[in-house]
Amino acid sequence: EPEVTQTPSHQVTQMGQEVILRCVPISNHLYFYWYRQILGQKVEFLVSFYNNEISEKSEIFDDQFSVERPDGSNFTLKIRSTKLEDSAMYFCASSRLQGDQPQHFGDGTRLSIL
Amino acid sequence: ILNVEQSPQSLHVQEGDSTNFTCSFPSSNFYALHWYRWETAKSPEALFVMTLNGDEKKKGRISATLNTKEGYSYLYIKGSQPEDSATYLCAFQSNDYKLSFGAGTTVTVRA
Repeated sequence: EPEVTQTPSHQVTQMGQEVILRCVPISNHLYFYWYRQILGQKVEFLVSFYNNEISEKSEIFDDQFSVERPDGSNFTLKIRSTKLEDSAMYFCASSRLQGDQPQHFGDGTRLSIL
Repeated sequence: ILNVEQSPQSLHVQEGDSTNFTCSFPSSNFYALHWYRWETAKSPEALFVMTLNGDEKKKGRISATLNTKEGYSYLYIKGSQPEDSATYLCAFQSNDYKLSFGAGTTVTVRA
């Protein structure tokens, strides 16, 4: 069964450094998402992406964050200047269509900011 | 921030017993209600996407009901098995298609 893959599984970065998290969505899916879960808190929506554009974003997704689909398969989340509070589990998801479609999640990248 | 609450936070079930737990969500701007099953060290797995008031969906021994007027959904596990041990997440999807997650109910099935 096709799955969403994320790399790396764990990223340790110094505060202030840039980090890029990578995702390969399911190949025939058109909508892509990033979520994060800070330890002990709920999973939070960050951004959705369709047709090479952001379609929705949350208040968390400020100018420090950006997303890109650099080629036909990868979907990336960049955090420009990381802060301690960016430490979290970051999940990528994809869905074939928008709306009442299940989203398929990757295993996540654990980001630790030192 | 939308208020999506799940209760209980955790529960222990004897193998073979049935159980259920709830997800409550806003009754306005409702688009859909999602249920996910999340095992430790794995990715959340989609169980159901429910849209219609009164809807009931079933997948094996797991089923879910939806009441959009009062803003709640129940998830039922019939005849619990050890492999049902996981955290079950619900997510409210509003009209802008964003998902707001509950904190989850962690189910532990004792053999």
